[in-house]
Order: sequence, then structure tokens, then C-alpha cells
Amino acid sequence: GAVVSQHPSRVICKSGTSVKIECRSLDFQATTMFWYRQFPKKSLMLMATSNEGSKATYEQGVEKDKFLINHASLTLSTLTVTSAHPEDSSFYICSAPTGSGNTIYFGEGSWLTVV
Amino acid sequence: ILNVEQSPQSLHVQEGDSTNFTCSFPSSNFYALHWYRWETAKSPEALFVMTLNGDEKKKGRISATLNTKEGYSYLYIKGSQPEDSATYLCAPQADRGSTLGRLYFGRGTQLTVWP
Repeated sequence: GAVVSQHPSRVICKSGTSVKIECRSLDFQATTMFWYRQFPKKSLMLMATSNEGSKATYEQGVEKDKFLINHASLTLSTLTVTSAHPEDSSFYICSAPTGSGNTIYFGEGSWLTVV
Repeated sequence: ILNVEQSPQSLHVQEGDSTNFTCSFPSSNFYALHWYRWETAKSPEALFVMTLNGDEKKKGRISATLNTKEGYSYLYIKGSQPEDSATYLCAPQADRGSTLGRLYFGRGTQLTVWP
């Protein structure tokens, strides 16, 4: 079946540095992908829609300069957390619709810890 | 952003018990309702996508119903097994014009099935 892969699964970075998380659709092409963030004991919060070949669309309240999204190919979207701060520590997860039917597949998620 | 409520937040049952949980969502601007099953350290797994009022879907021992007029969906598990232990998430998708995959999740119901 369709698979979405996310990398890295865990990353620790220092405050002030940037960290990149990749989301790949392994056996289908995705013109759109989605990035979510989950705070402890909260729901998955939609951050942005990643659009292949064009700018990402950010949800209200999400800083686009802090969370840079690039969707350079039909199988890869990247989320870069820039100038990371400890409050950016969180669980980030991506998803992609297959385009057939209405099924949306998720990656495994990435735990980011900023120290 | 859609306000999605899931109840209960957590549930502990014995193996063999049947159980059900609720997802409430705004009934206006509704297009589809997604149910996911999320085991720790894995990707959320798509269970059902429901669009029609009165829809009922089944997958093995798991079934779901949908009421779009009043804005709720029930998920039922018959004869729960320890392997059913997971967090069950629902996510409505607002209006057909909205980009497929742009989902707003509830906090989920965490199910634990004891042998």
C-alpha cells in the first residue's frame, strides 16, 4: 500500500540552529502534503499545506519564516525549523493524499528537541 | 479551524468487551469525516472516510456511523482485543473546495484493552 516516510524520527538540536525534516511519498506522487504539530496532550494541529512547485499555505498563527516549507518534487516536502528555540520542541508529522479516493497517508512523525 | 470533540479521552476495557466512542464536529460546511487508528511509534492508519449522512462503514470488528445533520460520528469495536489498543482519531474535512487532506483532528480516544 501507499507509504509516507518521514526522516529523522528523532532529532536534537541546539537553540539558534535550524533543523530540516523530510517527508517522502514512497510509491505515489503528491502535489500537496500537509504538516502537523502536536503539543503534549493536544490534538494534531495543522500547520501548513505544502504545494509542489509553489509557496506553502500556512494556517492562521503559524509563522512562515520560522517554519519554512519546500515542496521541490512530487515525492518530497521538507519542513525547516529555523533559529530553533526550546518552545519549538514538539512532535511534527506529515501527510499526503494519494489522489485516488479520499485516503490520506501519514508519516511516522518526528520528535524535535531543542536544547 | 474546526472545533472537534472526541469522547471519552481514554477508555480501559477487558478483552472481549465491545466499546464505542464519539466524535463531534461542526455540521456546517461538512464534506467528509476521517477516522484513524494510531499506535505508538507508528503512522496513523486510515480506518474510514465517510461522507454521506447515515453512512455506516465496517472493517472487521470495527464499524462507524455518521450523522452530518447533527455533527457526530460513532466508532464501534466489537469484541475488543489487546491489539486494538491505540488512539483513535477523528478528523472532519470541511467543504469539497478545501484542499483534500486538510484535516482538523480531535484529541483522540486512547483505548487500552486488557487481556
